[in-house]
Amino acid sequence: EAGVTQFPSHSVIEKGQTVTLRCDPISGHDNLYWYRRVMGKEIKFLLHFVKESKQDESGMPNNRFLAERTGGTYSTLKVQPAELEDSGVYFCASSQGGSGMYNEQFFGPGTRLTVL
Amino acid sequence: AQSVTQLGSHVSVSEGALVLLRCNYSSSVPPYLFWYVQYPNQGLQLLLKYTTGATLVKGINGFEAEFKKSETSFHLTKPSAHMSDAAEYFCAVRRIGAGSYQLTFGKGTKLSVIP
Repeated sequence: EAGVTQFPSHSVIEKGQTVTLRCDPISGHDNLYWYRRVMGKEIKFLLHFVKESKQDESGMPNNRFLAERTGGTYSTLKVQPAELEDSGVYFCASSQGGSGMYNEQFFGPGTRLTVL
Repeated sequence: AQSVTQLGSHVSVSEGALVLLRCNYSSSVPPYLFWYVQYPNQGLQLLLKYTTGATLVKGINGFEAEFKKSETSFHLTKPSAHMSDAAEYFCAVRRIGAGSYQLTFGKGTKLSVIP
């Protein structure tokens, strides 16, 4: 079974440009999460989808970030316009749905974004 | 608000020596607790978790961790380090209950294993 995949693996853009990151969760996983790690700091939660709905977007830093999950499958995270402080590694994770005690989050390899 | 503190951003051990990675958390109620490992160019992989029950939990690759409520700690140990254990390790917590499943992470500890 394929794991969580992310595209691209690396992206280098100029300040002010737009970048779109993509995440394909594990097939059948209703929950999809985005996290970000800025260099030297902890991995921070950005938002959580349940199917196509945003369950929790409390971690989104500002309105330059737009996440979508049309059809409840893959998700995109767009940064427009990008700023220097947006550089970091963006992780996507997915977990099964249901009311289990907890649902293990499976992580993708991340997209390393560099804004120059 | 929850927070996680990992003591030591870098830890070096000799091959065959004990591995001890420290994690303390701050939370109004005891949360779920996790250790993840990240090998180079890979995603985070769950090593072990504590939800309820026995406070000493065993994970993959010979790692284990003990939840100590009185110390708000969840330190990760392995009796004998192997070269393949060199990676970055993250402690994380999640609030118990329905609603947000967001994980709160520590800053990570890079483990080096010296031959």
